Amino acid sequence: DVKVTQSSRYLVKRTGEKVFLECVQDMDHENMFWYRQDPGLGLRLIYFSYDVKMKEKGDIPEGYSVSREKKERFSLILESASTNQTSMYLCASSPLTGYEAFFGQGTRLTVV
Amino acid sequence: AQKITQTQPGMFVQEKEAVTLDCTYDTSDPSYGLFWYKQPSSGEMIFLIYQGSYDQQNATEGRYSLNFQKARKSANLVISASQLGDSAMYFCAMRDSGNTPLVFGKGTRLSVIA
Repeated sequence: DVKVTQSSRYLVKRTGEKVFLECVQDMDHENMFWYRQDPGLGLRLIYFSYDVKMKEKGDIPEGYSVSREKKERFSLILESASTNQTSMYLCASSPLTGYEAFFGQGTRLTVV
Repeated sequence: AQKITQTQPGMFVQEKEAVTLDCTYDTSDPSYGLFWYKQPSSGEMIFLIYQGSYDQQNATEGRYSLNFQKARKSANLVISASQLGDSAMYFCAMRDSGNTPLVFGKGTRLSVIA
């Protein structure tokens, strides 16, 4: 069964902390994505990666960075967390060909 | 650039009735895919149905069907015989040809009433 796993369901961090959100997929997919979901705004793309060590900025990359050292793992990094980064974060993966994306269970991050 | 518009922030439907969730899209790529996802209160995104731009027939998956009107750039989701478990957020999304990310609409919250 297809699986995308995010390291935490709920996370509470302090302003200014460095935060790592981890995502692992077991489907050997080339593409991995990080989205942010806020009420009334839908899902907005932060970063995506189509290969190891490759990354592309999405619509809202400011305040975030990413790392993909291995094909199965895609990390989202908040260099210095701020309260406006309180949100639901969703990781997804998809094959290079074909269209469907598979999602993790989401991480609800609260920055206090 | 791709764009998805969902104009219904929230909808109510009576149990066992059918409901249509609206979605319009915009793209200059003649080859693209359209998707619907369901997100229950637990937060996971569940893939429901897919329609390719060159598919001649409307996609169907059980109680879900996609009313694809290419000339109008419309891809409405129809849920037949609504159930209480259908209460959730529903997102329309699209992906152009090539290796591009999914672009999502803002979602519609569906509430099914007993």
